[in-house]
Amino acid sequence: KQEVTQIPAALSVPEGENLVLNCSFTDSAIYNLQWFRQDPGKGLTSLLLIQSSQREQTSGRLNASLDKSSGRSTLYIAASQPGDSATYLCAALAGGYQKVTFGTGTKLQVIP
Amino acid sequence: ETGVTQTPRHLVMGMTNKKSLKCEQHLGHNAMYWYKQSAKKPLELMFVYNFKEQTENNSVPSRFSPECPNSSHLFLHLHTLQPEDSALYLCASSQEALAGTGELFFGEGSRLTVL
Repeated sequence: KQEVTQIPAALSVPEGENLVLNCSFTDSAIYNLQWFRQDPGKGLTSLLLIQSSQREQTSGRLNASLDKSSGRSTLYIAASQPGDSATYLCAALAGGYQKVTFGTGTKLQVIP
Repeated sequence: ETGVTQTPRHLVMGMTNKKSLKCEQHLGHNAMYWYKQSAKKPLELMFVYNFKEQTENNSVPSRFSPECPNSSHLFLHLHTLQPEDSALYLCASSQEALAGTGELFFGEGSRLTVL
């Protein structure tokens, strides 16, 4: 059974700092890995999707990497801003599309 | 409208009430999903519909009854719920359930409180 872990559960950084969020998964036979952002009481916003054949994806200040062999993905946020404060979730897709496993998220606070 | 839209955003109901949650996607997708998000727990998949056919029921109690009349609409009918069913219910869609990139798009969620 796939297990997805995100460490740390919470992170507080000063504005402008570069930071890395971690996502680990136990079953390396994944189809893709998706990073989401969730604001309090809101739905999930898709940030980046990495297919299993890819090593990384970039969107603006965000860069996500995938290392299937080690069961790890990282989300790099450059020059963090207070507006980046949210919970970041990763989700690993394996097998059929119904087999998506989510982590419990990292709650990020960027202090002005 | 664009994306995935869920109504109502907030719902309070008694244990004997019957209510429904609605989800509509404007992305031209063929797969739709219901997820449950409880505090301190990972998102739990409830149901999957692919081209209007239910392909997954993740051992969900029968007091939750999904309905998918077409690829753009998904409902979750609620009946005789328990207080522990209070949670954020999220609807999502993707291109297809067994093809494409697998990228999921979520709605804003329906916050359900069962008294």
